[in-house]
Amino acid sequence: KQEVTQIPAALSVPEGENLVLNCSFTDSAIYNLQWFRQDPGKGLTSLLLIQSSQREQTSGRLNASLDKSSGRSTLYIAASQPGDSATYLCAVRFGDMRFGAGTRLTVKP
Amino acid sequence: EAGVAQSPRYKIIEKRQSVAFWCNPISGHATLYWYQQILGQGPKLLIQFQNNGVVDDSQLPKDRFSAERLKGVDSTLKIQPAKLEDSAVYLCASSLSWGEAFFGQGTRLTVV
Repeated sequence: KQEVTQIPAALSVPEGENLVLNCSFTDSAIYNLQWFRQDPGKGLTSLLLIQSSQREQTSGRLNASLDKSSGRSTLYIAASQPGDSATYLCAVRFGDMRFGAGTRLTVKP
Repeated sequence: EAGVAQSPRYKIIEKRQSVAFWCNPISGHATLYWYQQILGQGPKLLIQFQNNGVVDDSQLPKDRFSAERLKGVDSTLKIQPAKLEDSAVYLCASSLSWGEAFFGQGTRLTVV
């Protein structure tokens, strides 16, 4: 069964810290992996898409890596800000697209 | 470019009533997804369309849920009859086959 797991479920950090969010998946035969941000009561905003042939993608302060062989991806956020507070979701496209439960991030001023 | 449009944004119904949600994907996107997101959980895939054909509906409760995609563009998701546990946000997304997926704002359903 194809499953996606995100650890930790919640994370609280002071402003300015660098942080890492983790995503693991059970089947290495993936097409791509996408990181999303979700603010309370809102839809999902795409942050980064990594194709199966890629190792990492960067956008501003965000860097996502992909290691298919170990079934892992990480989202690195540099110099965190209070505006980064949200739930971060990892979605893996096996054929269909499956989500983890998310990591709820709070960045304290 | 216009994003994924969903309506209505909010809906409150009594149990055993029926309800329908509408989604208009980004123009040209062949793949359309419907997800159910219960509070505090990640989205769960209900059904995935490629053009107007169903790719995956293994998690769709077919005794009460149905979905169709008209002419490979707009899509509707229907629940009949609704149960209390159907209270959730229903999210629609679209993509160019295996490309980046984009989501609508969702429809928040409350069943009382």
